[in-house]
Amino acid sequence: GDSVTQMEGPVTLSEEAFLTINCTYTATGYPSLFWYVQYPGEGLQLLLKATKADDKGSNKGFEATYRKETTSFHLEKGSVQVSDSAVYFCALPPTGNQFYFGTGTSLTVIP
Amino acid sequence: GAGVSQSPRYKVAKRGQDVALRCDPISGHVSLFWYQQALGQGPEFLTYFQNEAQLDKSGLPSDRFFAERPEGSVSTLKIQRTQQEDSAVYLCASSLDSRGYYYGYTFGSGTRLTVV
Repeated sequence: GDSVTQMEGPVTLSEEAFLTINCTYTATGYPSLFWYVQYPGEGLQLLLKATKADDKGSNKGFEATYRKETTSFHLEKGSVQVSDSAVYFCALPPTGNQFYFGTGTSLTVIP
Repeated sequence: GAGVSQSPRYKVAKRGQDVALRCDPISGHVSLFWYQQALGQGPEFLTYFQNEAQLDKSGLPSDRFFAERPEGSVSTLKIQRTQQEDSAVYLCASSLDSRGYYYGYTFGSGTRLTVV
């Protein structure tokens, strides 16, 4: 069945470091792919999405490219800030009625 | 409203007590979803509404869980005879498109339920 596999955390980086969070998926067809972010004490927020192969989603300095050949959608940011500290979820939309979320990767950025 | 609103934000229930969690979705969003998020985990699907119709309740863990959306807007998730394993954050989400396939979800801040 459909699923996403996400890089285990937690990840701790210094401010201005480069971030990569890996995500691979298994899906029937070519669905849209999403990254959600959850700040402490809050619900999930849509961070970015890509709707087809080779699309690049971007928002707030984060980017992810939909790679059909490697079934991946890795999240990257060139220079992280303390305010980026959060939990990041890769997500696959439904073939049925439910989204499939990864287990989440916790990021802590230290000054 | 501007976002998805959930209430209460926090709920402490004694084991065996019934609880009701409210979700007010974004106006005009036809799809509404409930998810359960255990500590350190990703959200797990509970149930899905399109307008007032509950099209999928396959994720509800037991018959103690019941959800409704009688007028196609506000939804209530009810848990009867709460157990400790029900302790989690309950997230509500809505979407402009059916099932959230294209636009994704807008989530509320969640209700953190603690059963003692």
